[in-house]
Amino acid sequence: NAGVTQTPKFRVLKTGQSMTLLCAQDMNHEYMYWYRQDPGMGLRLIHYSVGEGTTAKGEVPDGYNVSRLKKQNFLLGLESAAPSQTSVYFCASSSLRTGRPQETQYFGPGTRLLVL
Amino acid sequence: SQQGEEDPQALSIQEGENATMNCSYKTSINNLQWYRQNSGRGLVHLILIRSNEREKHSGRLRVTLDTSKKSSSLLITASRAADTASYFCATDPSSGYSTLTFGKGTMLLVSP
Repeated sequence: NAGVTQTPKFRVLKTGQSMTLLCAQDMNHEYMYWYRQDPGMGLRLIHYSVGEGTTAKGEVPDGYNVSRLKKQNFLLGLESAAPSQTSVYFCASSSLRTGRPQETQYFGPGTRLLVL
Repeated sequence: SQQGEEDPQALSIQEGENATMNCSYKTSINNLQWYRQNSGRGLVHLILIRSNEREKHSGRLRVTLDTSKKSSSLLITASRAADTASYFCATDPSSGYSTLTFGKGTMLLVSP
């Protein structure tokens, strides 16, 4: 059981370039989330998904798009990267089995993104 | 916006000592959770306390919740160097919004 995995681990982009971050989970979880973590800011929710084919905006969605074409995968896209998007990105997943999906979230190892 | 706020921002103790960190929040909650993050890694769920609970234990961890004061504390007893990490509280708001809100974290350093 790999849990939640993220690809890539580290990436450097130039301003204006695009990229896609991939999150995969093998726990058959219904809910998936993308967060960004900046120094002194804690985790802020970018987008989340309550199931295959559905997505919703979080606290800081601007500049990002997401897709959940398969239950096990959640993609985060940056269409035109900006230096303000330099951050560490975490994916997480959770299950409906405990009653409320947000009762325990399982996190991936993170993707470090530097935008020059 | 951040709902939970941890205090202190940083804590430095010796092995064997107890570590206490606090979390304050603003709105009504269904539950409050604590997560640990080792340097360069993802967050790991430690413990969850529901709004109708006042205290919960898990190994060396003790969590309390005071809903009247909108605050929680995490106590780690007999700290070890391996407990060195950042600790975050996360609240599940009772307003129906289906996601957690994380605080900014307390950085704990346990020296041998």
